[in-house]
Amino acid sequence: EAGVAQSPRYKIIEKRQSVAFWCNPISGHATLYWYQQILGQGPKLLIQFQNNGVVDDSQLPKDRFSAERLKGVDSTLKIQPAKLEDSAVYLCASSLTGVPYTGELFFGEGSRLTVL
Amino acid sequence: TQLLEQSPQFLSIQEGENLTVYCNSSSVFSSLQWYRQEPGEGPVLLVTVVTGGEVKKLKRLTFQFGDARKDSSLHITAAQPGDTGLYLCAWVGYYQLIWGAGTKLIIKP
Repeated sequence: EAGVAQSPRYKIIEKRQSVAFWCNPISGHATLYWYQQILGQGPKLLIQFQNNGVVDDSQLPKDRFSAERLKGVDSTLKIQPAKLEDSAVYLCASSLTGVPYTGELFFGEGSRLTVL
Repeated sequence: TQLLEQSPQFLSIQEGENLTVYCNSSSVFSSLQWYRQEPGEGPVLLVTVVTGGEVKKLKRLTFQFGDARKDSSLHITAAQPGDTGLYLCAWVGYYQLIWGAGTKLIIKP
């Protein structure tokens, strides 16, 4: 079974530029999550989708971050304009169930963003 | 204020030693999960604990859930370099996980 796919693995941009990350979850998984992970810290949830609806985006900086999950399958996370403090690994995860949460999260390898 | 406190934040030991890391909260957990994240990878689920006092073993890893379901520990026996990684505990909420900051573990050969 294919895992969660993310791209790109690495991205380096200048501040104020834009960047987009793509995620394809495990087939059949209803729920998709985007996390931001600062080096050495735990993941911080940015947005959670169930199918193509948003369950939680309370920690998404909506002035610069946006995310969509068209057709309830793959998803894109965009940052525009980027700031230095956005340097982090962006992890995508999926789970078979959504609300209530049961089971486990399956993570992709992450996309490492460096903002200069 | 962190809902989940993990300690220590960082631990570096020699191969063959034993160690314990902790996950604590002032709140009662419905259930708790432990994940391990290796460098350059996403976290991978190790175990889910549900019942107060529960003990689960995964080869050399022993997970314990406190009787009051407010804390959990992970004990590694005879640590190996392959155990190196970030160990994360996560409180299972109604629709998402609440994560601790993790314990970064380095096992030196």
